[in-house]
Amino acid sequence: DAKTTQPTSMDCAEGRAANLPCNHSTISGNEYVYWYRQIHSQGPQYIIHGLKNNETNEMASLIITEDRKSSTLILPHATLRDTAVYYCIVRFDYKLSFGAGTTVTVRA
Amino acid sequence: DAGVTQSPTHLIKTRGQQVTLRCSPKSGHDTVSWYQQALGQGPQFIFQYYEEEERQRGNFPDRFSGHQFPNYSSELNVNALLLGDSALYLCASSLAAHTEAFFGQGTRLTVV
Repeated sequence: DAKTTQPTSMDCAEGRAANLPCNHSTISGNEYVYWYRQIHSQGPQYIIHGLKNNETNEMASLIITEDRKSSTLILPHATLRDTAVYYCIVRFDYKLSFGAGTTVTVRA
Repeated sequence: DAGVTQSPTHLIKTRGQQVTLRCSPKSGHDTVSWYQQALGQGPQFIFQYYEEEERQRGNFPDRFSGHQFPNYSSELNVNALLLGDSALYLCASSLAAHTEAFFGQGTRLTVV
């Protein structure tokens, strides 16, 4: 599986957009980019995934660069409940390989 | 629609004992994966079950074993418990590869 690199932590103001970067320079053509988040003491929650095209759902948008070597998860209007660890995962086979993730703190 | 349910929520065991954790997948899902999450770390893949067979396995010793039943529910068994097995054990279910996996709330296992 391709390795991902994320910032260790970041802060965001409530009501503003949160842009979470992820580098995956060794990604292969058939590997998907997945994003999950984990709120303290809960199981990980699926956010979004994509292969080549940008994706949007009710939670977030996923922007994947044309060369697919990096991506950005966008939370359009962050709330205090979005405080969590966010994991960017490159997935080829059946398993999800979690790294350390980015600890996002949304401040009032 | 019930999501992924795990039992028990908390468990305390003694070194050397054996433990069984249980998971019921989300309705309509046929694939169950198990993960171990040590404190302060991301979840680590243990194995995945599909059609009652272990389809893929992570880097865990044979002390970790599992089973999937015809109704798609699953069990994780750990033998000869070590202090280092203390962790949050997560179950995730999905319908097929390259679809989103839904996680349960986990079982917190403490080995003393």
